[in-house]
Amino acid sequence: GQNIDQPTEMTATEGAIVQINCTYQTSGFNGLFWYQQHAGEAPTFLSYNVLDGLEEKGRFSSFLSRSKGYSYLLLKELQMKDSASYLCAVMDSNYQLIWGAGTKLIIKP
Amino acid sequence: NAGVTQTPKFRILKIGQSMTLQCAQDMNHNYMYWYRQDPGMGLKLIYYSVGAGITDKGEVPNGYNVSRSTTEDFPLRLELAAPSQTSVYFCASSDRDNYGYTFGSGTRLTVV
Repeated sequence: GQNIDQPTEMTATEGAIVQINCTYQTSGFNGLFWYQQHAGEAPTFLSYNVLDGLEEKGRFSSFLSRSKGYSYLLLKELQMKDSASYLCAVMDSNYQLIWGAGTKLIIKP
Repeated sequence: NAGVTQTPKFRILKIGQSMTLQCAQDMNHNYMYWYRQDPGMGLKLIYYSVGAGITDKGEVPNGYNVSRSTTEDFPLRLELAAPSQTSVYFCASSDRDNYGYTFGSGTRLTVV
């Protein structure tokens, strides 16, 4: 079966760095996405990785290792507004997105 | 640019009632999707469409129906509402060229 695993909840301090991991097992691979979802709102696109390596976009970076079925989202200089759920999703061989349950990130002052 | 528009935002249904969740996008995207999101769970695909006149079942289609008569609109129909359909429903669209999904703001449905 297809499976995306990520931690349920993480806590970090304002100004610090946090890494959210995602491991996956899917039928085929056409890219990995990270989305941010604030409580009661729709997911919004953060990043897309299809090749191995690190993609940096401002305070957020995303890493992919296809051989290990592994990705992480790195958030630097954490701000209170970064409190949200972070969803990992993999596009399979049929170009369908398979979603993880999300990681709820709690930022403390 | 409105993006993806979903209506209504909230709805309470009684068991056995029916309703249609509306979804419209103005980005000329061919691909459209309906998801449900239950607390603590990932997004589950209900139905999707790769273009006008073409629809297909996702992971959890039972109890739902869709149609895609135009590129812009992709309504989701619940015929006989059941408590198990209490959830938040998201419509999304995408352009195959850039893969990123644009989501509507969601419909919070409660069946009592």
